[in-house]
Amino acid sequence: DTGVSQDPRHKITKRGQNVTFRCDPISEHNRLYWYRQTLGQGPEFLTYFQNEAQLEKSRLLSDRFSAERPKGSFSTLEIQRTEQGDSAMYLCASSPSGGVYGYTFGSGTRLTVV
Amino acid sequence: ELKVEQNPLFLSMQEGKNYTIYCNYSTTSDRLYWYRQDPGKSLESLFVLLSNGAVKQEGRLMASLDTKARLSTLHITAAVHDLSATYFCAVDVTSGTYKYIFGTGTRLKVLA
Repeated sequence: DTGVSQDPRHKITKRGQNVTFRCDPISEHNRLYWYRQTLGQGPEFLTYFQNEAQLEKSRLLSDRFSAERPKGSFSTLEIQRTEQGDSAMYLCASSPSGGVYGYTFGSGTRLTVV
Repeated sequence: ELKVEQNPLFLSMQEGKNYTIYCNYSTTSDRLYWYRQDPGKSLESLFVLLSNGAVKQEGRLMASLDTKARLSTLHITAAVHDLSATYFCAVDVTSGTYKYIFGTGTRLKVLA
């Protein structure tokens, strides 16, 4: 296992379309996190999973956003009815349970809404 | 609400010089992380600081944590061009969640 994988790397979509991103964490990691990073800012927490359970969601995650981790392995983040303000880098990270020693981040998916 | 502030936000320095980046945070935590990000890339873990007085060093970078002052520093010794990147500190304040609040980053440019 070579790390956290995210797909696609880049996505350009028209406003109003739905998009879905995928994250494959490190296989032995049971915690998975989604963050969003806009240009010139630090990453902002969106949500996290412990195995298949989604345990916390940020208020940044409006009802247009949904995340799943159906079998406790890969995760998807869907954005419905995209808006220009959704343009950002979406980062996935994983850690072992009790991940006090930090996360491993994926390469991210850069979303551009035109 | 927790705030994590870094300064400076931008730093341009000559090769061979020393400098320090500061990370202040507004609530109690004894877990602080430093990451590096190259343009268009993801975040690479640099240091994990887990107690008051913790000091970690790797190459030309050294990080420290003072939980009483709610301050972490990232010291750069004899900078080289390859250190040019954006550096983020992140604080974990939610026991058991390991949810991080990131600073706004310090964009470092080392001039040859």
